[in-house]
Amino acid sequence: QQPVQSPQAVILREGEDAVINCSSSKALYSVHWYRQKHGEAPVFLMILLKGGEQKGHDKISASFNEKKQQSSLYLTASQLSYSGTYFCGTEMKGYSGGGADGLTFGKGTHLIIQP
Amino acid sequence: GAVVSQHPSRVICKSGTSVKIECRSLDFQATTMFWYRQFPKQSLMLMATSNEGSKATYEQGVEKDKFLINHASLTLSTLTVTSAHPEDSSFYICSANQGDTQYFGPGTRLTVL
Repeated sequence: QQPVQSPQAVILREGEDAVINCSSSKALYSVHWYRQKHGEAPVFLMILLKGGEQKGHDKISASFNEKKQQSSLYLTASQLSYSGTYFCGTEMKGYSGGGADGLTFGKGTHLIIQP
Repeated sequence: GAVVSQHPSRVICKSGTSVKIECRSLDFQATTMFWYRQFPKQSLMLMATSNEGSKATYEQGVEKDKFLINHASLTLSTLTVTSAHPEDSSFYICSANQGDTQYFGPGTRLTVL
């Protein structure tokens, strides 16, 4: 099942903050966050595996709720380089009993940072 | 992070021909690799799971006879688009897991005329 991402698009000025949400109707094994720039492949940002987990580096962080059905990506004091499309990819491994699974991606959130 | 490469980065072919795309894990071994497809302004869609030494697993709606996958070694998976048609034009991206993290290759843009 495809996770639901919101919002679809965000326009910010440099220095403003943004939150991108990713929701699933079922509990997940993991959530992966990627940023993709036009014409390029997705770049890995971070992975969350544990319910209640919060992690981050620099000004980009993410959380995974206790039920493992909702994750949020936080971008603080945004920079021009943050522009792109953000995707969450979800994995159900462990529930299907198999090995590594391919990711099911949300539709993406387009982030535009203006000077 | 781990490095995954793809070749070619861009290919243009005539309708009816076959195209082979290579995916390599450069600094780690990957028993499993994944192939995704992304149409313009859309999300990535998983096509198939490539397993070293066994048959690939295809997602529902993906024709296994059209998209041939061979996982020849622990560092190489190939995707062959057979008898390509204009509707197969897309951005094809592979990925490989190192631990729980999935790293993506740079992608191959296929244009079928």
